[in-house]
Amino acid sequence: GQQLNQSPQSMFIQEGEDVSMNCTSSSIFNTWLWYKQDPGEGPVLLIALYKAGELTSNGRLTAQFGITRKDSFLNISASIPSDVGIYFCAGQPLGSGSGSRLTFGEGTQLTVNP
Amino acid sequence: KAGVTQTPRYLIKTRGQQVTLSCSPISGHRSVSWYQQTPGQGLQFLFEYFSETQRNKGNFPGRFSGRQFSNSRSEMNVSTLELGDSALYLCASSRDSVTGELFFGEGSRLTVL
Repeated sequence: GQQLNQSPQSMFIQEGEDVSMNCTSSSIFNTWLWYKQDPGEGPVLLIALYKAGELTSNGRLTAQFGITRKDSFLNISASIPSDVGIYFCAGQPLGSGSGSRLTFGEGTQLTVNP
Repeated sequence: KAGVTQTPRYLIKTRGQQVTLSCSPISGHRSVSWYQQTPGQGLQFLFEYFSETQRNKGNFPGRFSGRQFSNSRSEMNVSTLELGDSALYLCASSRDSVTGELFFGEGSRLTVL
């Protein structure tokens, strides 16, 4: 089945630094989404992307849907301590038959040192 | 607006038993999907229900089943539990079954001994 390769697996940064993470796949995806999961919580949707080449921002977060439809990146600018958590990319595979059937990446564990 | 509610939050079972998990979606959301989260396999899609019908099913054995009621509440059941079924089971609701914009509950953490 489809797999998403997410990198890096973990990041340790200082408060105020910018962060970049990305996901790639060998398959085409209709939709790319980025979620964040805090300990003991379910994932929370950060950004959704629906068109190839689309660049979308949500506050300090910016994400792009790759033109090939096989990749996406997420940038976080001026990180703050509450950015700590696990970030997941997710994609809706072509022909999945359902928008709710998402393939998730392995996650990027972000640690922000104050 | 209340979020997605899952019960129970934690439970411990032994091999061979069965378990039922419950999910109440956000009011007005008709789609409920279930995911299994483990350290080794990550987040994996189990199944999706929309208007009481199963729309999609992931690659899990038949021991995993679910249903949705007319009020959109959903349950999933796992029979003949195995040690490998220990996981966080996440329910997500969505207004429709198109966008992939899922709202997740806090999950039910199942431990199988």
